[in-house]
Amino acid sequence: AQRVTQPEKLLSVFKGAPVELKCNYSYSGSPELFWYVQYSRQRLQLLLRHISRESIKGFTADLNKGETSFHLKKPFAQEEDSAMYYCALGVTGGGNKLTFGTGTQLKVEL
Amino acid sequence: DAGITQSPRHKVTETGTPVTLRCHQTENHRYMYWYRQDPGHGLRLIHYSYGVKDTDKGEVSDGYSVSRSKTEDFLLTLESATSSQTSVYFCAISADRDQPQHFGDGTRLSIL
Repeated sequence: AQRVTQPEKLLSVFKGAPVELKCNYSYSGSPELFWYVQYSRQRLQLLLRHISRESIKGFTADLNKGETSFHLKKPFAQEEDSAMYYCALGVTGGGNKLTFGTGTQLKVEL
Repeated sequence: DAGITQSPRHKVTETGTPVTLRCHQTENHRYMYWYRQDPGHGLRLIHYSYGVKDTDKGEVSDGYSVSRSKTEDFLLTLESATSSQTSVYFCAISADRDQPQHFGDGTRLSIL
């Protein structure tokens, strides 16, 4: 069965510092990985999708199949980045069902 | 934001009562999903639908049933609510199986 692990429940960084939110997955097939973000009092929003390889709000994520990781990175944290971040794994041929990690709360301090 | 409306937004009810949550979309998307969000578990899939009258179980389907009689509405029913079903419930939609999912605002359900 597939699994997504986000080892940090809370990550606190200072404004301007680099950010790395970790995500590891377990899946025997070809994975599709996503990062979703939930700002306070807002709905869950798609942040990144690995196949699109684009940068959103300065965030990037690279799929590393050897290490089964999809870490989210940003070189300089901003206060508005404070939110809950979820990594999710999509299963090919699985009706687009997603398996989510438990989430990491990012807090950017001034 | 994608046109997804969940109702009610908040509900408090008692153990043993039936509860129905509604997800309504205006995007004409084929796929619809119900997730629950709990601390320490993230989001877990309850049921999903891949078309009108076509549904399938997710990871945590016990105690829940769903129905989709038209494209725009996906109903989640708790036949006899239990305290363990206290949670925040999210609906999501996607245009097709290779398209990303977009989420509604959630329904906060408390079962006393």
